[in-house]
Amino acid sequence: NAGVMQNPRHLVRRRGQEARLRCSPMKGHSHVYWYRQLPEEGLKFMVYLQKENIIDESGMPKERFSAEFPKEGPSILRIQQVVRGDSAAYFCASSPSNQPQHFGDGTRLSIL
Amino acid sequence: AQSVTQLDSQVPVFEEAPVELRCNYSSSVSVYLFWYVQYPNQGLQLLLKYLSGSTLVKGINGFEAEFNKSQTSFHLRKPSVHISDTAEYFCAVSAGEGADGLTFGKGTHLIIQP
Repeated sequence: NAGVMQNPRHLVRRRGQEARLRCSPMKGHSHVYWYRQLPEEGLKFMVYLQKENIIDESGMPKERFSAEFPKEGPSILRIQQVVRGDSAAYFCASSPSNQPQHFGDGTRLSIL
Repeated sequence: AQSVTQLDSQVPVFEEAPVELRCNYSSSVSVYLFWYVQYPNQGLQLLLKYLSGSTLVKGINGFEAEFNKSQTSFHLRKPSVHISDTAEYFCAVSAGEGADGLTFGKGTHLIIQP
């Protein structure tokens, strides 16, 4: 039973480019969460999605960031016009209804 | 809103010694509590969870934690640590059984010394 799959594991972008991070939840999991981890910090919640719906985006920056979880395919976290401060590890987690979250290995985003 | 405080950013311990990693939380509603472990360049792995019932919770790798509602604490313990326990440990809370986003502490780096 495959775990939460995130790709790419490492992503390098120049300032102003777009970054797309993908997350495939565990089989049977309909809830997806995105978190950001800055150096020496814990994980900060960004957004919680179910299929085709954003349930809670209270942790998402107001501009440049968006997330989706389409009916078919992985969940996507999209960052437009990246800046140096977007450099971080981005983690995806999934869960079935009302169960603990299972985490992927993350995407490490570096902005040049 | 919830918040989590992990007072110790680093805890050095000798191998085979006991260890306690502290976690305190604040919340205006009932919470569910979790401990996760993160090894270098990996994601988080669930160690244990408290949802309801017995306040002493046993997890994987010999870890256990005790929920203390009056002290709003959920400290993690292991009676005898091993070199392989070297990792970052995160305490987290949720207002739902995982259906809501988790609020994490800043983490405690457990360093096992031979």
